[in-house]
Amino acid sequence: AQSVTQPDIHITVSEGASLELRCNYSYGATPYLFWYVQSPGQGLQLLLKYFSGDTLVQGIKGFEAEFKRSQSSFNLRKPSVHWSDAAEYFCAVGAGKLIFGTGTRLQVFP
Amino acid sequence: DAGVIQSPRHEVTEMGQEVTLRCKPISGHDYLFWYRQTMMRGLELLIYFNNNVPIDDSGMPEDRFSAKMPNASFSTLKIQPSEPRDSAVYFCASSSTGSREKLFFGSGTQLSVL
Repeated sequence: AQSVTQPDIHITVSEGASLELRCNYSYGATPYLFWYVQSPGQGLQLLLKYFSGDTLVQGIKGFEAEFKRSQSSFNLRKPSVHWSDAAEYFCAVGAGKLIFGTGTRLQVFP
Repeated sequence: DAGVIQSPRHEVTEMGQEVTLRCKPISGHDYLFWYRQTMMRGLELLIYFNNNVPIDDSGMPEDRFSAKMPNASFSTLKIQPSEPRDSAVYFCASSSTGSREKLFFGSGTQLSVL
């Protein structure tokens, strides 16, 4: 069965610190993988996606993610977090029909 | 483009009443998705359409839920009768062929069933 697991429900970091949000997936074929961000009271916005090729993908707002097939992971990273990055982050897998993880809420302290 | 437009933003109703949620996708997009978001279950895909035709409605919880897309610029999600456990945020999203996984989400409808 297709599924996405985000093990961290809530993460708190200081502004300027590095960030890594974890995502593990289960998918029967080569996965299409995505990270979306949701600001309070808003819909989701696509940060980045992986379809094939280079396993390190760059996204908007300085985010990147690395696909590791051996670990079934697609972790999201940012070298230096800004206060405006505080939001909820969703990992998703699928082709056409996306399955979302339960999300990780990021809090940023000044 | 104004993006995906959903109405109403907030809906409060009493158990047993009919609820209709509305969505206008981005012009030119031929995929439309309805998602439900709750704390307990996260984001669940309810149904999606391609070229106004329902493709997969396996996520629709039960017969009380129905969705229509009479034309390319409008879709509705109806709950009749509504129950307190239907309380959630309902999102509509659209995308286009060739980039169908790049979903553009509306701001959602916060539904509270008392």
